[in-house]
Amino acid sequence: NAGVTQTPKFRVLKTGQSMTLLCAQDMNHEYMYWYRQDPGMGLRLIHYSVGEGTTAKGEVPDGYNVSRLKKQNFLLGLESAAPSQTSVYFCASSWVTYEQYFGPGTRLTVT
Amino acid sequence: GIQVEQSPPDLILQEGANSTLRCNFSDSVNNLQWFHQNPWGQLINLFYIPSGTKQNGRLSATTVATERYSLLYISSSQTTDSGVYFCAVESGGTSYGKLTFGQGTILTVHP
Repeated sequence: NAGVTQTPKFRVLKTGQSMTLLCAQDMNHEYMYWYRQDPGMGLRLIHYSVGEGTTAKGEVPDGYNVSRLKKQNFLLGLESAAPSQTSVYFCASSWVTYEQYFGPGTRLTVT
Repeated sequence: GIQVEQSPPDLILQEGANSTLRCNFSDSVNNLQWFHQNPWGQLINLFYIPSGTKQNGRLSATTVATERYSLLYISSSQTTDSGVYFCAVESGGTSYGKLTFGQGTILTVHP
């Protein structure tokens, strides 16, 4: 049981480049979430999904898109990266609204 | 949106000491969770506790929803308890697990 996994672990992008972060969970959870964590701050919700084929905006959705084509996967896309998107990105999943389980994070630097 | 305040911001203990971390929130909640982020960045769910009291080993938590606060107790602290403790809440009529995180309490336990 791997839990929640994230790919890649680290990435450096130039301003304007695009990339996709992959989150996978093997716990059969319905709900999945993408957060970002900036230095000295708590986590902020970017987008979330309450089931396969559904997505919704969180607190800081601008500049990001998401897709949930399969129940076990939740993808986060950056179409045109900006330095303000330098952050650590965490994916989480939960069985409906109960305990959220987090992946190890992806450290993204945009230069 | 809902405001989440955690106190104290920093806490330094000797191994074996007990501690209490506090989380105040500005509105009624339907979801409250405590997390520990270890020094390597991994987030671990400690408790799902929108109300009442729970215990797990040396850790316990109490949420008094009517008074809008939650407490996390750590007894007989160990160096492995070091890290950042986050409280996260969701308010509103419908729960989707859209958590708002506090700024965290940084705990350092010295041997």
